[in-house]
Amino acid sequence: DAKTTQPTSMDCAEGRAANLPCNHSTISGNEYVYWYRQIHSQGPQYIIHGLKNNETNEMASLIITEDRKSSTLILPHATLRDTAVYYCIVRVAGGKSTFGDGTTLTVKP
Amino acid sequence: EAQVTQNPRYLITVTGKKLTVTCSQNMNHEYMSWYRQDPGLGLRQIYYSMNVEVTDKGDVPEGYKVSRKEKRNFPLILESPSPNQTSLYFCASRTGTSFSYEQFFGPGTRLTVL
Repeated sequence: DAKTTQPTSMDCAEGRAANLPCNHSTISGNEYVYWYRQIHSQGPQYIIHGLKNNETNEMASLIITEDRKSSTLILPHATLRDTAVYYCIVRVAGGKSTFGDGTTLTVKP
Repeated sequence: EAQVTQNPRYLITVTGKKLTVTCSQNMNHEYMSWYRQDPGLGLRQIYYSMNVEVTDKGDVPEGYKVSRKEKRNFPLILESPSPNQTSLYFCASRTGTSFSYEQFFGPGTRLTVL
């Protein structure tokens, strides 16, 4: 399973774009990159996923580098409610799932 | 409403007293999983199930049992709980489609073992 590395914490001003990086230098060709977030102690919430191409949905955009060794989750207009821990994970075979430590994003007024 | 439910949401118990945390999903998902979350350790997978009667160990299975007799239910059993199993537990489910990895998580069960 590809290991991911994320910064421990980040701050962002309310209304500005939040850019959360993730390194996954050992990712395999058939592995997807997924992002989840966890607000306080609630259950994690799916945000977005991608394989090679950039992806966008109503919550965020995902930018994956051409060599697929890193990616960036973009929240275009962060709000206070986006304060959460953001997890970048790579799909694993056989159903086993691994969540790392994530990045604690704090959106400040 | 599509959801994963867990019961109980909060539980305080004593060492050695068997307990079961129930998990149920109404989305006809094949895959279900249990995680525990501890401060500074992130989410760690305990057990998962690819379908009925198919279960496998995750990263931290010791001290836990699971069963998958029905597609919608995936109970977590602690035969003899110990204080080191005090944690926040999450159940999750997803469709078994190989490229799909959107997991739906339950609200969590906060367990304290005295």
